[in-house]
Amino acid sequence: DTGVSQDPRHKITKRGQNVTFRCDPISEHNRLYWYRQTLGQGPEFLTYFQNEAQLEKSRLLSDRFSAERPKGSFSTLEIQRTEQGDSAMYLCASSLRAGLAGGDEQFFGPGTRLTVL
Amino acid sequence: GQNIDQPTEMTATEGAIVQINCTYQTSGFNGLFWYQQHAGEAPTFLSYNVLDGLEEKGRFSSFLSRSKGYSYLLLKELQMKDSASYLCAVKGNQGGKLIFGQGTELSVKP
Repeated sequence: DTGVSQDPRHKITKRGQNVTFRCDPISEHNRLYWYRQTLGQGPEFLTYFQNEAQLEKSRLLSDRFSAERPKGSFSTLEIQRTEQGDSAMYLCASSLRAGLAGGDEQFFGPGTRLTVL
Repeated sequence: GQNIDQPTEMTATEGAIVQINCTYQTSGFNGLFWYQQHAGEAPTFLSYNVLDGLEEKGRFSSFLSRSKGYSYLLLKELQMKDSASYLCAVKGNQGGKLIFGQGTELSVKP
C-alpha cells in the first residue's frame, strides 16, 4: 500500500497523559499536513511541513502540541497533558509541491481517533 | 476572516442529480477543492478548480466563480454509495493549508 499511513488508529488515554501519533506520507511527497476533525465538522488545520521545515502552525494550536518531521519523511504529533477537549480525529495528509501553479492535492491518511477520559 | 459555508445536509434520490453549493470568503485564493468523506474514513479528493468555469470528471463536476466566491459540486446518476459528507476547501495562500467548510451530509434514498 503506497498511501498515507497513520499509527495508532485509535488511542484512549486519561486526562493529563502525553500521547504521540505517527504519520508516514506517500514516499515522494515533500509536504505533510496535520489536521484535527471533530464530529460534524470539517478538518481544521494544525500545522504543515515542507521537507523537514515546519512552515506554518495554526494560532489555535496550544503549546501543548508539538510536531516534528526530522528527516523530511515521517512525522510525529505529540500532545502533552491531554485534556478532554483534545478528543478528536487527527488526520495527516501529504502532497507533492510542484511549482507555483497551485493544485498539489492533499492525500489523507485514515486518521488517529483520540479519546481523552 | 476566513469563512466557508455549505449546507449541513441534503437528501436526494438514487439516479437523480444533486448540486451542493459552497460560498467562501478568504484572505487569499489559490484554488478550491472538493473532498468526499464516508463515515469513519479519511477524506478522498474529488476535484480542484482554480480558474472560473466547470471541471467535469465522470459523474462529478465542479464549478467555480471567483468573483462571486462561489462553487458547486454536481453529482449525476446518484448511487447509494454516494451517501457521504462532501467537504469544500479553499487553499488561501501559497502555503498549501486547506480551509474546510463544515461539510454537507448527503443521503441518497432508493
